[in-house]
Amino acid sequence: NAGVTQTPKFRILKIGQSMTLQCTQDMNHNYMYWYRQDPGMGLKLIYYSVGAGITDKGEVPNGYNVSRSTTEDFPLRLELAAPSQTSVYFCASTRTEANEKLFFGSGTQLSVL
Amino acid sequence: GQNIDQPTEMTATEGAIVQINCTYQTSGFNGLFWYQQHAGEAPTFLSYNVLDGLEEKGRFSSFLSRSKGYSYLLLKELQMKDSASYLCVTLDSNYQLIWGAGTKLIIKP
Repeated sequence: NAGVTQTPKFRILKIGQSMTLQCTQDMNHNYMYWYRQDPGMGLKLIYYSVGAGITDKGEVPNGYNVSRSTTEDFPLRLELAAPSQTSVYFCASTRTEANEKLFFGSGTQLSVL
Repeated sequence: GQNIDQPTEMTATEGAIVQINCTYQTSGFNGLFWYQQHAGEAPTFLSYNVLDGLEEKGRFSSFLSRSKGYSYLLLKELQMKDSASYLCVTLDSNYQLIWGAGTKLIIKP
């Protein structure tokens, strides 16, 4: 079982560059999420989706964009990378309601220099 | 505002018992999760409490008191592999997850 697959694991960007973090799940989950985790801080929600074609902003959406064209895929786009976006990013999914446990991808360590 | 408080770091001895406390203030309440996160890895689910009381699952137990805004995670027969961060997470009235910063647990032989 693959679960939630997230790529890449590591990436270094220069200020102003763009990139897409890929996230795919094979569990037919409706809910998908993007989080960032900074040292000593709780996870912060960037964007989430409750199903294909539906996305919504989380707590810290500025500087990011998402799309959800299929149930399986939920890519996160950084358009103009800034040092403040240096963080660890996690994609996650749940079957239906938010009171179900989250399944996480393995994470992406992103540095913007 | 919404807030979760848990100790930043705790140290315990292999084979012992440790209790990690969590207090919370949230806009409504629809449950509380505990997740385990090993260094450099993603969080993994440990427990979910929505009613008051103790839920036991093997060596790990989780307790909730909604009136006190308080939960704890109890780890028994500590093993070296239990060295990790433990994240307290609440679910508010809008079904939004509020994440604590986590408690780093260090296990010494």
